[in-house]
Amino acid sequence: QKEVEQDPGPLSVPEGAIVSLNCTYSNSAFQYFMWYRQYSRKGPELLMYTYSSGNKEDGRFTAQVDKSSKYISLFIRDSQPSDSATYLCAMKGTGGGNKLTFGTGTQLKVEL
Amino acid sequence: DGGITQSPKYLFRKEGQNVTLSCEQNLNHDAMYWYRQDPGQGLRLIYYSQIVNDFQKGDIAEGYSVSREKKESFPLTVTSAQKNPTAFYLCATTQGTGAMVGNQPQHFGDGTRLSIL
Repeated sequence: QKEVEQDPGPLSVPEGAIVSLNCTYSNSAFQYFMWYRQYSRKGPELLMYTYSSGNKEDGRFTAQVDKSSKYISLFIRDSQPSDSATYLCAMKGTGGGNKLTFGTGTQLKVEL
Repeated sequence: DGGITQSPKYLFRKEGQNVTLSCEQNLNHDAMYWYRQDPGQGLRLIYYSQIVNDFQKGDIAEGYSVSREKKESFPLTVTSAQKNPTAFYLCATTQGTGAMVGNQPQHFGDGTRLSIL
């Protein structure tokens, strides 16, 4: 079983919809949680970076962490065609090396 | 223009050939990382370096080598021992050293796509 599970999609939604992207994990040592957006043939771009449980909002994006359930989410409000990309969750503990464990990514398409 | 520059964008390797992927950064970040991305597998760590002249193996280091002679540069060599080199290679950096590195997110370059001829 993978340490981090993420539904690969593809997920297709109409423009303006609220999108919910999720990851589950098994390692209780993870303390830092990230969401990256990756466009085709590009590197991942950091969207959200959170520590421990709770919510964090940045514009149309909200990251939610539930450590008791080992579950993290990214919500995108008022989705736009420019949000069409692959979304990667990543997480790490507090150990040395800053090593990240990634989900496999969810492919999102926002249609006009 | 600040950032992380990976070159070349596309690279082709012949059988038995070593190839080197470049990663340069002008962010003054201390830590640098190399990942490999394959479809359906997410990113996997190859090597990382937290300071100049020091680096550690990641989860899939076999068939790869690195050097860190300058803070700005962390080249990755894909050797002929790597039997399945076709992948998208990503370089990342993080600010801070030692215990501080753990508090910082990683930022990525735009990758090099390596294929076998």
